[in-house]
Amino acid sequence: NAGVMQNPRHLVRRRGQEARLRCSPMKGHSHVYWYRQLPEEGLKFMVYLQKENIIDESGMPKERFSAEFPKEGPSILRIQQVVRGDSAAYFCASSPQRVKGTQYFGPGTRLLVL
Amino acid sequence: QQPVQSPQAVILREGEDAVINCSSSKALYSVHWYRQKHGEAPVFLMILLKGGEQKGHEKISASFNEKKQQSSLYLTASQLSYSGTYFCGIRQGGSEKLVFGKGTKLTVNP
Repeated sequence: NAGVMQNPRHLVRRRGQEARLRCSPMKGHSHVYWYRQLPEEGLKFMVYLQKENIIDESGMPKERFSAEFPKEGPSILRIQQVVRGDSAAYFCASSPQRVKGTQYFGPGTRLLVL
Repeated sequence: QQPVQSPQAVILREGEDAVINCSSSKALYSVHWYRQKHGEAPVFLMILLKGGEQKGHEKISASFNEKKQQSSLYLTASQLSYSGTYFCGIRQGGSEKLVFGKGTKLTVNP
């Protein structure tokens, strides 16, 4: 049973470009969470999605960031017009159920903005 | 609100014990413990759902005191493989998201 998959594992972008991060949840999991981690810091919640629905986006910056989880295919975290401060590790987690569900993390995407 | 973890760092010799604490200023629904090694994904250790609950996983166990709004992770007879940063993530009632502490860096030396 494959775990949570994320790609790319490493992404380099120049300021002003767009970054697209993909996350495929574990089989049977319909809940996806995105977290951001800066070096030597904890994980910061960004957004929680179910298929075709954004449930909680309280941690998403108001501009340039968006997320989706379509009916078919992976969840996408999109960052437009990237700035140096967007450089971080972005982790996706998936869960089989709400509330009591354990969140299992993917390997992360390391974004570097030059 | 972010939980407070203590200590921030701890260094052990193989075979020694350690306790990592996680405290919240708000009521907790559940506490989730993860270990992360440098450059890797956080790995799930255990989840505690009820007040006063204790769980164990080999030589790693945890308690959750709902009244005190805190959880403790106990590592006994530590092994080299226990090295890493330990995070507690808390879920407060009505919310699905996990709010993580800043982590406790554990180093186990031979």
